[in-house]
Formats: sequence, structure tokens, C-alpha cells
Amino acid sequence: SQTIHQWPATLVQPVGSPLSLECTVEGTSNPNLYWYRQAAGRGLQLLFYSVGIGQISSEVPQNLSASRPQDRQFILSSKKLLLSDSGFYLCAWSVRGMTGGAQLFFGEGSRLTVL
Amino acid sequence: DAKTTQPPSMDCAEGRAANLPCNHSTISGNEYVYWYRQIHSQGPQYIIHGLKNNETNEMASLIITEDRKSSTLILPHATLRDTAVYYCIGKSGGYQKVTFGTGTKLQVIP
Repeated sequence: SQTIHQWPATLVQPVGSPLSLECTVEGTSNPNLYWYRQAAGRGLQLLFYSVGIGQISSEVPQNLSASRPQDRQFILSSKKLLLSDSGFYLCAWSVRGMTGGAQLFFGEGSRLTVL
Repeated sequence: DAKTTQPPSMDCAEGRAANLPCNHSTISGNEYVYWYRQIHSQGPQYIIHGLKNNETNEMASLIITEDRKSSTLILPHATLRDTAVYYCIGKSGGYQKVTFGTGTKLQVIP
């Protein structure tokens, strides 16, 4: 069966510090991968999605970047965190190309607090 | 993606059926209707999806109108654990980008 792992679960970082959140998927190949962010009391914002190694689509201009160094690994990074980067970060995957291609499977989430 | 409209909030008595509506009047012929829910402090959970026919699984039923302009997610016997934000999405298969709207906050009342 397929599983998705995301870490760290909780992170408290000072403003200006770097960030690295990692997500890995097991039990499937060539997935679409996604990073979402949810600010406190707000909806889900799509940040990045990827259809393959090295292929990243960015949805909003921001202080963040994403990379996909391996087929089932998706990394969210920042060189210098801002207060506005605080939020709940969610990684997700879907099967590429199927009619149910919007059936997303989410990780447990990473809660980032920037102080 | 099809534009979807959902009521911001709804209440439902525990044990009763919860009927969550979604309007997607601009949906095109190849776009599926997906439903997710997000329980507080967790990632969204896929519930069900359909194209034209009504669908049922162990979690819920999805009723899509004949003209496909709206749908209803039915939780047949709501429990307190069903309290969550429910999202309706209109999406073509095979497309990569998946965005969520604001959803309906369902409160199940004891």
C-alpha cells in the first residue's frame, strides 16, 4: 500500500533562519507531488506541484522554493523565513494521468511557527 | 477547474443525515466532482468522486444532478467525528494542479 511521510511534524524557527521540510512517498511510482500551506483559520493554498524529477510549478510568488531530487521525494525550502511563513504545511501525492487524478493523499502535515 | 460554490457553514444533529450541497454550474463534460474533508489540525481526507452517476462508498454517497450543475454529499448518519470542513472540487482527470476553495464547515451537534 502507498504511504506518505512528512517531517518534521512541528518546527519553531526564528525570522531569517532557513527551512527544509521533507516529504517522501512509498509504494507508488511517478506520482504527482504537491505542497500546500494553510495559515491559521484560513483555507488551503497550493504552493508548488511537480509531475516529475526536477519539474516544479510554482503557484504564488513567495519566500519559498521546492525541489524534487528523486521520484518520490519532495522538499520545501526557504533561505530566510518571514513571520508570514508560519502555517500548516501539507504534502500530498496523486496518481499521474488517471481519470481520478485529483484524488490526493495527504501527509500528516508540518506545523511551522516563525518567531 | 470548475468554479464551485458551497455554503460556508451547516449544522446537523448527530445520527441524522448530513446533506452538503455544492454548485458547479460551469462544470465541463470531462470534469469530475471530488469531495474532501479536513478535520481540525489534520490534512484533508479524500471522500468520494464522480462524473455523472451517483456514487456510494463506505464513507458517503454522492448525488450528481442530471445536468451536472450541482451535487450533494450525503453522510447518512452523522457522528461528532464528522465535524469538519468539507471541500467540493471540480476537476478534469489527468490535470496536475488541484486547488481547494473555502468549503463548508459542518458542525455535528449532539
